Amino acid sequence: DAGVIQSPRHEVTEMGQEVTLRCKPISGHDYLFWYRQTMMRGLELLIYFNNNVPIDDSGMPEDRFSAKMPNASFSTLKIQPSEPRDSAVYFCASSFGGAAGYTFGSGTRLTVV
Amino acid sequence: DAKTTQPTSMDCAEGRAANLPCNHSTISGNEYVYWYRQIHSQGPQYIIHGLKNNETNEMASLIITEDRKSSTLILPHATLRDTAVYYCIVSGLLNAGKSTFGDGTTLTVKP
Repeated sequence: DAGVIQSPRHEVTEMGQEVTLRCKPISGHDYLFWYRQTMMRGLELLIYFNNNVPIDDSGMPEDRFSAKMPNASFSTLKIQPSEPRDSAVYFCASSFGGAAGYTFGSGTRLTVV
Repeated sequence: DAKTTQPTSMDCAEGRAANLPCNHSTISGNEYVYWYRQIHSQGPQYIIHGLKNNETNEMASLIITEDRKSSTLILPHATLRDTAVYYCIVSGLLNAGKSTFGDGTTLTVKP
């Protein structure tokens, strides 16, 4: 298995632009998570899905952030409009079952200038 | 989720066992203990998890105290590639997905 695949690996964008991060979970996994990591705040859970349904989005910082999972093999995290404080590494992770360990992707490093 | 407490940093000599402690005194009966590590610039990597019994896999062993208020991750023969930040997390089935990563322990394996 290729693991959790995220794209792009790096994204540099100007403030105010829309940014879309993509994630392909491991086939058969029924949970998908989006995390954000910064030096100041560490790893933060933004949102997670179970069977493609958003379960908890309380970690989404504000309305500028949205996430979708149209099918079991694809999810997106969108920021519109982007701001410099959104600069971070965004990780996607998936798992099979609620008690299993998570498999993380390699992350997307977002820089908003 | 129950909160966890870990030392900020630890050193270990290459080839020796690395023992990483974690306190989780407010753990509930249905909550598991999970360990992950993050090597610089990479995504976190799952290591092991357990409920009450000790667990072992190809990467590490997990020792959970009888009262479940603390645990120890053991890397039996640490290598330089084990240098990473190690996170101890507590989470239950009912709140799956709510795993909160704290600051973890930075383990430095020295030659």
